[in-house]
Amino acid sequence: GAVVSQHPSRVICKSGTSVKIECRSLDFQATTMFWYRQFPKKSLMLMATSNEGSKATYEQGVEKDKFLINHASLTLSTLTVTSAHPEDSSFYICSAETGDSTYEQYFGPGTRLTVT
Amino acid sequence: EDKVVQSPLSLVVHEGDTVTLNCSYEVTNFRSLLWYKQEKKAPTFLFMLTSSGIEKKSGRLSSILDKKELFSILNITATQTGDSAVYLCAVNTGFQKLVFGTGTRLLVSP
Repeated sequence: GAVVSQHPSRVICKSGTSVKIECRSLDFQATTMFWYRQFPKKSLMLMATSNEGSKATYEQGVEKDKFLINHASLTLSTLTVTSAHPEDSSFYICSAETGDSTYEQYFGPGTRLTVT
Repeated sequence: EDKVVQSPLSLVVHEGDTVTLNCSYEVTNFRSLLWYKQEKKAPTFLFMLTSSGIEKKSGRLSSILDKKELFSILNITATQTGDSAVYLCAVNTGFQKLVFGTGTRLLVSP
């Protein structure tokens, strides 16, 4: 089956610094990747849709300048949390779509970000 | 605004019990409904449903969709402690978007 990896799995950073999270599709090409955020005991909230070679589409209420998304290749998308603050602490999950007719998304294992 | 609602929010059962999890939705565009199981990390795919009345089955898990009444159920029979997880329902609204419900937290006690 399709495998999606994320790196790092866990990161702790100081307030004011920036953190980059990578999402890779390991055995397939993903023209579209998605970034989700999940607060404790809450559901996944779609943050943005990332298409290879074009600008990401952000959901309402998500700050583009705060959460920078780059989908530089068909197997890699990155999310950079800029000038992180404690309220940005969360579980960030990416998913990738295979692009076939099933439109099935495969999820990465997630990245737990803690901002101190 | 697209909305997916799951019930109950949480559930505690004994091993061997059968559980039914509910998912209702109100969306402007429906492509499919998906069920996921989430343990400590990212969700793992269980089922995708696109047509009403056709049950999908995988071992002790089964699911069915009612597009007229806008809901789906996920059944787990003969529950085991390994079934303890959060079960997420999501609707694919087209435009490559998944709208997730809040999830049902299931705890199966031995």
